Amino acid sequence: QVQLQESGPGLVKPSEILSLTCTISGGSTSGYHWNWIRQPAGQGLEWLGHVHNSGRSNYNPSLRSRVIMSLDTSKSQLSLKLYSLSAADTAVYYCARDPVDGYGHFDSWGQGILVTVSS
Amino acid sequence: EIVLTQSPGTLSLSPGESATLSCRASQSVSTSFLAWYQQKPGQAPRLLIYGASSRATGIPDRFSGSGSGTDFTLTIRTLEPEDFAVYYCQQYESSPLFTFGPGTKVDIK
Repeated sequence: QVQLQESGPGLVKPSEILSLTCTISGGSTSGYHWNWIRQPAGQGLEWLGHVHNSGRSNYNPSLRSRVIMSLDTSKSQLSLKLYSLSAADTAVYYCARDPVDGYGHFDSWGQGILVTVSS
Repeated sequence: EIVLTQSPGTLSLSPGESATLSCRASQSVSTSFLAWYQQKPGQAPRLLIYGASSRATGIPDRFSGSGSGTDFTLTIRTLEPEDFAVYYCQQYESSPLFTFGPGTKVDIK
């Protein structure tokens, strides 16, 4: 049973860079895309982007200029860097897995990490 | 970008009743790339249904999904106390781009 665990700072200042890590255990990174999804308090879910095991990445067009994701297969770690932060980036950030040969669904999720952007 | 609309916003029901949740897409969702999730307070979403009608591993058969094109439905037959939660639909399109609906809250009447 794969497990995903997000880690990183809970508080970041405006205009700074957010760096999060998702550690993947109990399963292979092969055959999946590895995603970041966020959810502001009391609101809905927003897909940020994903990385394939090959290293190929795709991002939500609304964030493309501010986001970089990467996958370190040797460490089974997914990373997210989000630049030029503002209060609007305050949210719970989840990592999640979607099968490459699936129906575009997320079958495993981390527990999430709350990130607050504030000075 | 395909926009998903969910209705109703809130559904107030009693345990033992059935729930019918609707998800409508602004354009046709290709090849049934439509999923449903359940989210409880303080928890991550949990996959219930993928491919519009296939139950995820470990999901009870009181949950069922149906629909195609632009109209999809999640039905919960005989609500259990643990089913009161927020439900999201989600679609995938080949840009790639994943989008979620705004959610339907099923609460206890």
